[in-house]
Order: sequence, then structure tokens, then C-alpha cells
Amino acid sequence: QVRLVQSGAEVKKPGASVKVSCKASGYTFSSFAMHWVRQAPGQRLEWMGWISGVDGNSKYSEKFQGRVTITRDTSASIGYMELSSLRSEDTAVYYCAKSIAAGGRPLDYWGQGTLVTVSS
Amino acid sequence: SYEVTQPPSVSVSPGQTASITCSGDKLGHKYVSWYQQKPGQSPVLVIYQNTKRPSGIPERFSGSNSGNTATLTISGTQAMDEADYYCQAWDSSNWVFGGGTKLTVL
Repeated sequence: QVRLVQSGAEVKKPGASVKVSCKASGYTFSSFAMHWVRQAPGQRLEWMGWISGVDGNSKYSEKFQGRVTITRDTSASIGYMELSSLRSEDTAVYYCAKSIAAGGRPLDYWGQGTLVTVSS
Repeated sequence: SYEVTQPPSVSVSPGQTASITCSGDKLGHKYVSWYQQKPGQSPVLVIYQNTKRPSGIPERFSGSNSGNTATLTISGTQAMDEADYYCQAWDSSNWVFGGGTKLTVL
């Protein structure tokens, strides 16, 4: 069955960077895109960006452009999301999710989430 | 940038029908997905491509999309359906989420 297993919780200081990983199994990793979505405490889901399954190209939400980098290691079926210049407002649960090639590119499987806390 | 709007909360009695709306400019021209999220859990896809249910999602969940409004309908609502529901539209290769609707079953 499809599984997305994320790395553990992180505590970072303002100005630092964080890199979260997402290990995929149960499907052909390079055939599907991987997305990153975050959710601040009590807030809405917020799409950050994705990496194409076909060609490995990444696209980012305007809000995070310049601060986020999404990459992958196809040999290990792992996706990564790195967020730099962290501030307190970046405290959130970060999710990876895979999308399918249906209309609207829905996110059909999600990781368990990784809590990133930014605090001095 | 594109935005979609949901009511913050909806209440329904057990066994009744719950309707959760999602509004956006010409939303009916786009594909909408719906996600269910229970406290402390990851979101679960319950409707995609406006009306389709993924495998394993009960038939009581259905969707529609026309004009400027998409609607998630839960027929015969059960206590286990109490959760936050998020609509999501795909616009110019951006995935846009609504603010979420808390469904209370009481």
C-alpha cells in the first residue's frame, strides 16, 4: 500500500533552515508528483510547492518563492523540502503528499506530518 | 492570486444531510477536491474532480460544482464525520485551499 513517512519533529532558531524528508513506498516514485503543504496551529492548509514526477522540475507558491527548495532522490524514493530564513510564523506541521493525474491534480496520499517549531 | 472561501462552521443532526460550500470566481470552470481532516490527523481526500470518490470513501459523500460554488454533501451524516473539511482548487498550476469548515454533528 502507498505510504509516505516523514522525518521527525524539529526545533529551529529564527534565521535557521530546516530540511524535512518524506520516504515514499508502495508506488512508482518517479511517476507521480510530490507536494508540500503546511498548516500553522489552528490555521488552514497552505500549499508550498511541488516537484514533478516526470522531469523533477519544481514549482513554488509565490509566498514561499526564494525561501523554499523542493528536491528528490529518485534512487531512494525520498522527497525533501527545505525552508530557509525561518521565523516564528513558520511554526507549523509540514506535510508531504502525492498527487494523481486526475482533473485538478488531487492529493490522494499524505504523510503523517512533521512539526517544525521556530523559537529563540 | 485565486482564492476560495468556505463558511467557518456547519452544524448537522445525526442522520441528516450536511452541505458545505466553497466559493470562488468561475469556480465551476475548475476542478475541485475536498479533504477531511480530524484533529491530530493528516487530511484525507474524500472527493476529487468535483464529483468522484476515491476508493474506500463512503457513498454518503458526494460533490457538485457549478457557477461560482462547489458543494460537498454528506447524506445520513454520522458522528464519525465530524471533522474539518477543506476544498481545494487547481488554478494556473497552483493548489489553492479554502479556509476550512468545521462540521459539527450534534
